[in-house]
Amino acid sequence: GAGVSQTPSNKVTEKGKYVELRCDPISGHTALYWYRQSLGQGPEFLIYFQGTGAADDSGLPNDRFFAVRPEGSVSTLKIQRTERGDSAVYLCASSSGTSGSGELFFGEGSRLTVL
Amino acid sequence: AQSVTQLGSHVSVSEGALVLLRCNYSSSVPPYLFWYVQYPNQGLQLLLKYTSAATLVKGINGFEAEFKKSETSFHLTKPSAHMSDAAEYFCAVSLDTGRRALTFGSGTRLQVQP
Repeated sequence: GAGVSQTPSNKVTEKGKYVELRCDPISGHTALYWYRQSLGQGPEFLIYFQGTGAADDSGLPNDRFFAVRPEGSVSTLKIQRTERGDSAVYLCASSSGTSGSGELFFGEGSRLTVL
Repeated sequence: AQSVTQLGSHVSVSEGALVLLRCNYSSSVPPYLFWYVQYPNQGLQLLLKYTSAATLVKGINGFEAEFKKSETSFHLTKPSAHMSDAAEYFCAVSLDTGRRALTFGSGTRLQVQP
């Protein structure tokens, strides 16, 4: 597709369950980012991939959160033992360059609700 | 560390009036600055960006922003608001360092009254 695609668009789960959120970036974009946006807040950085490797995972809140990008394209954000506080919209973005001046292209997000 | 402060979580203007959304940044090195817009149920979309070229930056939909180093500001303006401008606006900062992610402000919701 032309843009960043995220699935599922909505996910409702129970406390303690495992969740996977998928991001399909724009074709050819080497950089991929995950953000989390809570209600009334701006997006909060989680992790950044350059190619297959996580170049910066300093935003992951704890070891229940993990992300992979095994072939340098699609990425999966994995959340173990979900908690109610994990409820948020998880945004994925991609960009083509390695410069900080580059534009990020965002998907529409995956809304996670933990009951 | 870099940070962004957006003054005013909600701004309401009349259609045709000036739009002014405020953004101040904190950065130890010259930053790159961005404004993104988020319409309901849509992804974030880039409005404009400052990358150390011209200090007055023009973006899409008639928006512009001026980088003022002395005031550490990057306020977003539009001379005449349209109903279609109603959305959430986010200011963001990035440093051209190894950490290439954007740091976002908390956002300003713009309402346009008829």
